[in-house]
Amino acid sequence: GDSVTQMEGPVTLSEEAFLTINCTYTATGYPSLFWYVQYPGEGLQLLLKATKADDKGSNKGFEATYRKETTSFHLEKGSVQVSDSAVYFCALSDLPNTGNQFYFGTGTSLTVIP
Amino acid sequence: DTAVSQTPKYLVTQMGNDKSIKCEQNLGHDTMYWYKQDSKKFLKIMFSYNNKELIINETVPNRFSPKSPDKAHLNLHINSLELGDSAVYFCASSHRTGQETQYFGPGTRLLVL
Repeated sequence: GDSVTQMEGPVTLSEEAFLTINCTYTATGYPSLFWYVQYPGEGLQLLLKATKADDKGSNKGFEATYRKETTSFHLEKGSVQVSDSAVYFCALSDLPNTGNQFYFGTGTSLTVIP
Repeated sequence: DTAVSQTPKYLVTQMGNDKSIKCEQNLGHDTMYWYKQDSKKFLKIMFSYNNKELIINETVPNRFSPKSPDKAHLNLHINSLELGDSAVYFCASSHRTGQETQYFGPGTRLLVL
């Protein structure tokens, strides 16, 4: 079945450090891949997405490239800020096999310290 | 003009009580979902409704029952609440066609005492 495996946290970085959060997936079809971010006390917000192989999603300085050959969708940011402290979720959607059911990773908590 | 809204935001109740959580979306989406997030932030899909029909029903206790009066609303009713039901419950919505983004509500924090 479909699944997402995400790097375990928590991750603590200093401001302006480079961030990578690893995400790999298993899917039977041709999934779309997503990164969601959850700030403390809030719901999940879409951060970026990619719908086919070699697509790069980007937003707010974050980016991730859909790599079919390695079944990966790693999240990166060149210089993190304190305001990036949140929980990050990798997810996939594999229509038509799963009726737009999302498969979420376990989440990676990021804390950025000044 | 909130896209996906939930009420209440916080819910504290005693074991054995029955409670409901309401969700509304104004995005014109076809499909709505309920998720449960535990204390470790793990997200579990509970239900999905497409045009008022249940299309996913994960293995959740039958004390949980989704009710969709129309495609803009998906409420969650919980009977005989248990301590283990304490969690954050998120509503979400999306277009069903294609692998569309899901939009999440702010969550309802349920605490069962």
